[in-house]
Amino acid sequence: EVHLVESGGGLIQPGGSLRLSCAASGFTVSTNYMSWVRQAPGKGLEWVSVVYSGGNTYYADSVKGRFTISRDNSKNTLFLQMNSLRAEDTAVYYCARDGGGLELDVWGQGTTVTVSS
Amino acid sequence: QSALTQPPSASGSPGESVTISCTGTSSDVGGYDYVSWYQQHPGKAPKVMIYEVSKRPSGVPDRFSGSKSGNTASLTVSGLQAEDEADYYCSSYAGSNNPLYVFGTGTKVTVL
Repeated sequence: EVHLVESGGGLIQPGGSLRLSCAASGFTVSTNYMSWVRQAPGKGLEWVSVVYSGGNTYYADSVKGRFTISRDNSKNTLFLQMNSLRAEDTAVYYCARDGGGLELDVWGQGTTVTVSS
Repeated sequence: QSALTQPPSASGSPGESVTISCTGTSSDVGGYDYVSWYQQHPGKAPKVMIYEVSKRPSGVPDRFSGSKSGNTASLTVSGLQAEDEADYYCSSYAGSNNPLYVFGTGTKVTVL
């Protein structure tokens, strides 16, 4: 069974940094498009970043230059390094796998990031 | 790239049908057959219900169907059941110079 488990969320002050992890089981992270999607409290879904199977990475304009997506193939784990955090980055962060038709077919349970002083 | 437009709410009685629209432009919904729909219950992760406009993943009831006409995609839930009450989001590919997934504004479906 395929599974994603996020961790690393928490309360952080504005300007701080946080690293989210997403451990995968039942499939190989490096052979799939893997994304981070976030959802601010009471708001809709917002795509944040993707790493393609070939290694290329892309970011939403709202996080470009501040967030970095990466993966550790040996640990079958996806990461999101978040720097220069702002109040508007407060959200539940989900990692998700692309199923091949540009749909996100496997999602983690989410990890909450709160940016506040 | 703006979010795709969905009605904030929709409702129906058990057994009835409800259709949710998702309006974009010729650069996203109208330009590609990569529209997907997600169901999200409160406090839970989204779940894909439809992909590539009208395909259903394994395990999704055939009460859920998708279609597209021009720049508008639609999700129809037939034979509404209590467990269908949730938020629904559409998503579309919008080309290589845009976010990989552009989501809709979301629709709250209420089963009366």
